[in-house]
Amino acid sequence: DTGVSQDPRHKITKRGQNVTFRCDPISEHNRLYWYRQTLGQGPEFLTYFQNEAQLEKSRLLSDRFSAERPKGSFSTLEIQRTEQGDSAMYLCASSRERTQYFGPGTRLLVL
Amino acid sequence: GEDVEQSLFLSVREGDSSVINCTYTDSSSTYLYWYKQEPGAGLQLLTYIFSNMDMKQDQRLTVLLNKKDKHLSLRIADTQTGDSAIYFCAEPTTGNQFYFGTGTSLTVIP
Repeated sequence: DTGVSQDPRHKITKRGQNVTFRCDPISEHNRLYWYRQTLGQGPEFLTYFQNEAQLEKSRLLSDRFSAERPKGSFSTLEIQRTEQGDSAMYLCASSRERTQYFGPGTRLLVL
Repeated sequence: GEDVEQSLFLSVREGDSSVINCTYTDSSSTYLYWYKQEPGAGLQLLTYIFSNMDMKQDQRLTVLLNKKDKHLSLRIADTQTGDSAIYFCAEPTTGNQFYFGTGTSLTVIP
């Protein structure tokens, strides 16, 4: 049973650079979610896909953030012109119905 | 349902029971969830309870739900050092996202 995978697991970048993260959901799951988690906090919702359609976006998702799920399978999250405040753990989850299963996360550090 | 509250820290001795508490706000939630997060890792689904249940037991885990008070608890029997982690309760919204509490950091003392 393959769980949710994310790549890379860690990313260090300089302020102003663009970064892209990938999430591969559990294969039969049509729903995919991105969350952001900062130190000492619970995950905060960023966006939700059902198949290839992006159906919900949080107001946390500024114009510098874009997410895609072009074929309804894997998803990418891109952050343009990174800022130090973007440093966080980015978590991906997938589900068939309500129950969400999380990947290991990508930890981003912006210097 | 944006305010899911948990106490921040809990310490117990190995072998004792741990009780982690959570209050939520959205009475229409159909399921409520408990997740475990170990350092540097993602969230692991522990258990969930359907809103028409008062209690669910799963091996060492017991979930209690008080819908009147909007209170959810997770009891871990015979707590082990491997149970040391952060525990999050999560409440689905009427949309598709989950609201998470700030997490309770459980420390198990050998």
